[in-house]
Amino acid sequence: DAKTTQPNSMESNEEEPVHLPCNHSTISGTDYIHWYRQLPSQGPEYVIHGLTSNVNNRMASLAIAEDRKSSTLILHRATLRDAAVYYCILPNAGNMLTFGGGTRLMVKP
Amino acid sequence: NAGVTQTPKFQVLKTGQSMTLQCAQDMNHEYMSWYRQDPGMGLRLIHYSVGAGITDQGEVPNGYNVSRSTTEDFPLRLLSAAPSQTSVYFCASSYSGRGQETQYFGPGTRLLVL
Repeated sequence: DAKTTQPNSMESNEEEPVHLPCNHSTISGTDYIHWYRQLPSQGPEYVIHGLTSNVNNRMASLAIAEDRKSSTLILHRATLRDAAVYYCILPNAGNMLTFGGGTRLMVKP
Repeated sequence: NAGVTQTPKFQVLKTGQSMTLQCAQDMNHEYMSWYRQDPGMGLRLIHYSVGAGITDQGEVPNGYNVSRSTTEDFPLRLLSAAPSQTSVYFCASSYSGRGQETQYFGPGTRLLVL
């Protein structure tokens, strides 16, 4: 199964942009890159996904390297409500998810 | 739509007791799955189903049974609870198994086995 590597934790100031990196050097040509986040005491929630091109939605942007071996989740203006664990995932067969440790994002007021 | 619902929210069991965690979704999703999350860890896949009548094992299936008699429901049974099964259990669903599909997660069931 393809695997991802993320920093354990990151800090950001409120209302500043946040760039969360993810390495996936063994990604295959058909693997989608998904990001989920888990707020405290809640289930994971979908953030964004992409295949080759950069993607934007109302929550975030996803920048995918040209060789697809890394990607970056961009929160344009972090708020206190964005404090969560962010998971970068390459879904397995059947779209099942393998969660690593993720990146714990702390947002300072 | 209620999305993915789970009951109960919290349960305390004694070692050896059995129970069923309920999961339901109202989005007509074919794929459903169960994950467990131990403190400070990521989620791990227990069992999953690709449609009514079809189930398969995930990474950590021992001690758990599942069945899928309807599209909407996917219960998880603990046959004989053990303290090692103390965890938070999340149910998830997606429309299909394609890699671009979004998984929708329920709010979780917190289980404590004494």
